[in-house]
Amino acid sequence: GEDVEQSLFLSVREGDSSVINCTYTDSSSTYLYWYKQEPGAGLQLLTYIFSNMDMKQDQRLTVLLNKKDKHLSLRIADTQTGDSAIYFCAETEQAGTALIFGKGTTLSVSS
Amino acid sequence: SAVISQKPSRDICQRGTSLTIQCQVDSQVTMMFWYRQQPGQSLTLIATANQGSEATYESGFVIDKFPISRPNLTFSTLTVSNMSPEDSSIYLCSVAGTGEGYGYTFGSGTRLTVV
Repeated sequence: GEDVEQSLFLSVREGDSSVINCTYTDSSSTYLYWYKQEPGAGLQLLTYIFSNMDMKQDQRLTVLLNKKDKHLSLRIADTQTGDSAIYFCAETEQAGTALIFGKGTTLSVSS
Repeated sequence: SAVISQKPSRDICQRGTSLTIQCQVDSQVTMMFWYRQQPGQSLTLIATANQGSEATYESGFVIDKFPISRPNLTFSTLTVSNMSPEDSSIYLCSVAGTGEGYGYTFGSGTRLTVV
């Protein structure tokens, strides 16, 4: 079945860049998303990318997609302590169908 | 994007009892999704709920344990039946967006503890 893998932990210093990686197995994945979950809070959509795109930039966030390797990354520039959270990669083959989530990467930002 | 009101936000229940979780969406949506997030884990899809038809359950989840209702295009309920401590999780509902990126919106979650 479909699978989405992420590294579990990332620790960075405030002001550095963070790069969170994700790999997926379904070559039909068309819509890929990054969600943020802060402790005790719900899921916040950060950004998305379509499979026909290589890169998407949105303020401090840059998403890179390597479709050949089925690899997705989220770069957060100038990481702040408020960025400390769990980041989930998610994908779906068709808009409107259920998302498949990775296990989540816990980002810890130290000052 | 859609706004989802989910309740209750948390509950502590006795084993053997049932809890019904409600999700109300501020716009009409075709499909609603129910997820479970066990402590420290990712989100696992329980079922997809279409209005006017039976919900479609994922492997490992059955209707007798997690009955779902979808009476109209803005509302759905998930019941966790005959609860045991292993059912202690966060339960979330979700809908797909229709705008740019089709971003999916999630309810704020129901934190269930079974004692």
